[in-house]
Amino acid sequence: DVKVTQSSRYLVKRTGEKVFLECVQDMDHENMFWYRQDPGLGLRLIYFSYDVKMKEKGDIPEGYSVSREKKERFSLILESASTNQTSMYLCASSLQGQNTEAFFGQGTRLTVV
Amino acid sequence: AQSVAQPEDQVNVAEGNPLTVKCTYSVSGNPYLFWYVQYPNRGLQFLLKYITGDNLVKGSYGFEAEFNKSQTSFHLKKPSALVSDSALYFCAVRDGGGSYIPTFGRGTSLIVHP
Repeated sequence: DVKVTQSSRYLVKRTGEKVFLECVQDMDHENMFWYRQDPGLGLRLIYFSYDVKMKEKGDIPEGYSVSREKKERFSLILESASTNQTSMYLCASSLQGQNTEAFFGQGTRLTVV
Repeated sequence: AQSVAQPEDQVNVAEGNPLTVKCTYSVSGNPYLFWYVQYPNRGLQFLLKYITGDNLVKGSYGFEAEFNKSQTSFHLKKPSALVSDSALYFCAVRDGGGSYIPTFGRGTSLIVHP
């Protein structure tokens, strides 16, 4: 069974902390994504990676960075957490190709206090 | 540019009745269309997709979707709703003539009443 695993289901961090969200997939997928999900706003793409060390900014990259040193792992970094980054964060992966579906992790609910 | 719209924030239906969750899209090339479901506090799960061919696509849990090119729609349907179908449903599109990053709709909350 295909699997995308996010390191934490729930996380509480303080304002100003550096936060790492980890995502690992076991399907040898080229593409990996980080989204945030907020009520009424749907899914918004933060960053996308199509290969190791390659990344593209999504719709809302400000305040975030990413790292992809290995094909199976895609990390999202909040450089200095702020309360407006309180959200549900979803990682996904897919094969290359426009007709391929994405597989999602279970999500990380981050609260910044 | 690609975009997708889910015009209803919420759909209510009685158990046993047919359900429809609406999705319309805009692309410059050929559309690749997807439906996903999200249960509370979980990630999204893939339901079905349209790539090419038959306009009626069948997917998981008895769901199907109808691709209508002239109306640029891809509505999700099920002949008989279950209470357990209550969840958040997302439509997504990729433009065959452009980006390989999917665009998601804002989601529709489906509530099935016993």
